Amino acid sequence: KAGVTQTPRYLIKTRGQQVTLSCSPISGHRSVSWYQQTPGQGLQFLFEYFSETQRNKGNFPGRFSGRQFSNSRSEMNVSTLELGDSALYLCASSELDLYYEQYFGPGTRLTVT
Amino acid sequence: QQQVKQSPQSLIVQKGGISIINCAYENTAFDYFPWYQQFPGKGPALLIAIRPDVSEKKEGRFTISFNKSAKQFSLHIMDSQPGDSATYFCAAIGQGGSEKLVFGKGTKLTVNP
Repeated sequence: KAGVTQTPRYLIKTRGQQVTLSCSPISGHRSVSWYQQTPGQGLQFLFEYFSETQRNKGNFPGRFSGRQFSNSRSEMNVSTLELGDSALYLCASSELDLYYEQYFGPGTRLTVT
Repeated sequence: QQQVKQSPQSLIVQKGGISIINCAYENTAFDYFPWYQQFPGKGPALLIAIRPDVSEKKEGRFTISFNKSAKQFSLHIMDSQPGDSATYFCAAIGQGGSEKLVFGKGTKLTVNP
């Protein structure tokens, strides 16, 4: 099976803009989670989607949002970008009954200038 | 509040040596403890995992030791190789996916030839 894919891989945005990142899970995986990785804070959970519904949410401001489509593909959006949003954004997918085995994509490196 | 504490932050070992990374948790609802390995430019990859009803799990050169009463677990890498040089993250997650996957801060392992 193909792994988790994320697009784009690299992105440079200006403060105040918004950005949309995309994630395609492993075929058959219906749960998709998003994480933010920074040198200072490490890996932090953003949110998790299953069957187009957000099941769990981390402690991030409302500027961070996401959605999942019927084919399990997911997008996350960050509005009104801040310099501190510069990070590697990782998507992970898992099977419903194996929620704990999460498979990560390569990430999208977002730089906010 | 950091739910999973990981140490050391960095570790340098010689080829053939044993690498040991320690983690401690507080939330007794956690019931699955995975370790992830991350190489530069890549997403984390699931390496090995353990449930609290098992005190030790071994897969090749990688062993997890688990101490439920102390709420601690550790990763041992036997016969460490330069190719093991990566950042290692311990993590924890609770039942039914209701608890989000929480990560330690990571340990950067360097194995010198």
